[in-house]
Amino acid sequence: AQSVTQPDIHITVSEGASLELRCNYSYGATPYLFWYVQSPGQGLQLLLKYFSGDTLVQGIKGFEAEFKRSQSSFNLRKPSVHWSDAAEYFCAVGPLYNTDKLIFGTGTRLQVFP
Amino acid sequence: DAGVTQSPTHLIKTRGQQVTLRCSPKSGHDTVSWYQQALGQGPQFIFQYYEEEERQRGNFPDRFSGHQFPNYSSELNVNALLLGDSALYLCASSQGQGNQPQHFGDGTRLSIL
Repeated sequence: AQSVTQPDIHITVSEGASLELRCNYSYGATPYLFWYVQSPGQGLQLLLKYFSGDTLVQGIKGFEAEFKRSQSSFNLRKPSVHWSDAAEYFCAVGPLYNTDKLIFGTGTRLQVFP
Repeated sequence: DAGVTQSPTHLIKTRGQQVTLRCSPKSGHDTVSWYQQALGQGPQFIFQYYEEEERQRGNFPDRFSGHQFPNYSSELNVNALLLGDSALYLCASSQGQGNQPQHFGDGTRLSIL
């Protein structure tokens, strides 16, 4: 079955610290991978996407993610977290070359302390 | 450049009623998808519309139906509302078929009493 697992429900970091949010997926074919961010009361904003090529992808707001096929993972990273990064982060997977029916993980809530 | 817009932002209904939610896609987009996001969960795919037809559907009952208009805007209709239908309903738009990412609106918060 197709699924996305985000093992960390809630992560707390200090401002300026590095961040890594984990994402593992189960998918029958080569997937199209995304990270979205959701601030309270708002919709989802696309941070970055991967569908082919370099396995390290750069996104907006200083985020990057690395696709590791052997580990079925697509972890999100940021070298230095800002207080404004506090939000809910969702990993999603979809069929390659077809953005129908995205499957989302349950999300990781990031809290940032000053 | 207007993004995806949804209306209303909040809605309160009672069990058994019917509701219609509306979505205008981002300029230049012709494909609209609807998602249900329950509290503390990730979005769940309901269905997608392209060229005024339902192209793909998730695991939702027939109480959930939709429509797409010639201007690409879309409606989500839910009949016979249940308490479990309380959620944030998100609309996402994209361009055609292929590897174009979906852009999301801010959602409609539906509460069922």
